[in-house]
Amino acid sequence: GAGVSQSPSNKVTEKGKDVELRCDPISGHTALYWYRQSLGQGLEFLIYFQGNSAPDKSGLPSDRFSAERTGGSVSTLTIQRTQQEDSAVYLCASRQDRGGNEQFFGPGTRLTVL
Amino acid sequence: AQSVSQHNHHVILSEAASLELGCNYSYGGTVNLFWYVQYPGQHLQLLLKYFSGDPLVKGIKGFEAEFIKSKFSFNLRKPSVQWSDTAEYFCAVNAPSGANNLFFGTGTRLTVIP
Repeated sequence: GAGVSQSPSNKVTEKGKDVELRCDPISGHTALYWYRQSLGQGLEFLIYFQGNSAPDKSGLPSDRFSAERTGGSVSTLTIQRTQQEDSAVYLCASRQDRGGNEQFFGPGTRLTVL
Repeated sequence: AQSVSQHNHHVILSEAASLELGCNYSYGGTVNLFWYVQYPGQHLQLLLKYFSGDPLVKGIKGFEAEFIKSKFSFNLRKPSVQWSDTAEYFCAVNAPSGANNLFFGTGTRLTVIP
């Protein structure tokens, strides 16, 4: 595709349920990032994938959060036992490893935990 | 750790007024600097970036930013704003090594009154 896509665009869930958020990066981009944008705050880095290397998980806020990237392309962010404070917009970005350091962002998934 | 400060949370201007949005960062090493814009209902997109060279960089839609290393600043400017510039503006930095994840400011909401 022409850009980064994410699904679903909106997700409403009940506290305690698990959710999965999907990101399709730009074809050929080897780097993939997840960020979280909470109300009134800037974007917060969550996790980074680069090719087949082990991901950088240093931004994950708790062990309820995990992510994987299959085949170096599509990524899934999973939040287990969701809490109300998990409500936010979750953004995915991809970057072409060669040249330029620009990250291209997807439209985000708005997660609401009731 | 890196951090980014945007001191203007909400700026309201009339059309044709000049704009300057402040951005200060905290990091002792070499950084890459970015301004991203998020128009209502749209995803984040890159406005301009600075990696090296001329500290005055020009971006899309008549925006420019000046990197002042001694002040750890990267302020965004536009001489004459338009109603269509109404959006949220995010300053971001990263270090050109490691994960390259972006550290974002909390954003500045710009409202341009026709």
